Amino acid sequence: AQTVTQSQPEMSVQEAETVTLSCTYDTSESDYYLFWYKQPPSRQMILVIRQEAYKQQNATENRFSVNFQKAAKSFSLKISDSQLGDAAMYFCAYRSESGNTPLVFGKGTRLSVIA
Amino acid sequence: EAEVAQSPRYKITEKSQAVAFWCDPISGHATLYWYRQILGQGPELLVQFQDESVVDDSQLPKDRFSAERLKGVDSTLKIQPAELGDSAMYLCASSLSWGQYEQYFGPGTRLTVT
Repeated sequence: AQTVTQSQPEMSVQEAETVTLSCTYDTSESDYYLFWYKQPPSRQMILVIRQEAYKQQNATENRFSVNFQKAAKSFSLKISDSQLGDAAMYFCAYRSESGNTPLVFGKGTRLSVIA
Repeated sequence: EAEVAQSPRYKITEKSQAVAFWCDPISGHATLYWYRQILGQGPELLVQFQDESVVDDSQLPKDRFSAERLKGVDSTLKIQPAELGDSAMYLCASSLSWGQYEQYFGPGTRLTVT
């Protein structure tokens, strides 16, 4: 079974600075998708960024980018120019490309942004 | 912008009582998911529907949990009887279909069992 590990329960960053959240995963599959979700306090979870495993190019969405290292099974999220609104729980998630398989989430990293 | 609706947002119940949660997915979304999120952990799938059919309920504690999606639109998740260990956030999500489509999450129902 696939597992997702987020080794940083909490992180903090100064406003306007850059922070990197770590994620590793374990799978024997070659085709899959990886995601970062953001869950603000008392608000719904939203997708931040996704990465297809077959793509070598790292995904980027505005201030959010990933460092996808397939061989190392690592998928970190970099947030540039951090804003107060970035404060939230961030979850790394995995989904197999084959069949009707569910998302597998890590335990999350709580990000605080200091003004 | 269309959103997934859930109610109630908060529920406090005593153990051994019955409790039900409701979810209305984004219109046109064929796939609906119920997740349980225990405090300090990531969500875990309880049940997945494709239209009105259950496609995965392998992690649903069927002795006390039930889920239905009559007519393939909104869905209800029921717990009877509730136990202290059921205290958690229950999240509903929907997607256009299963596969690579993005899942959209509702705000969740926070259940506290006393």
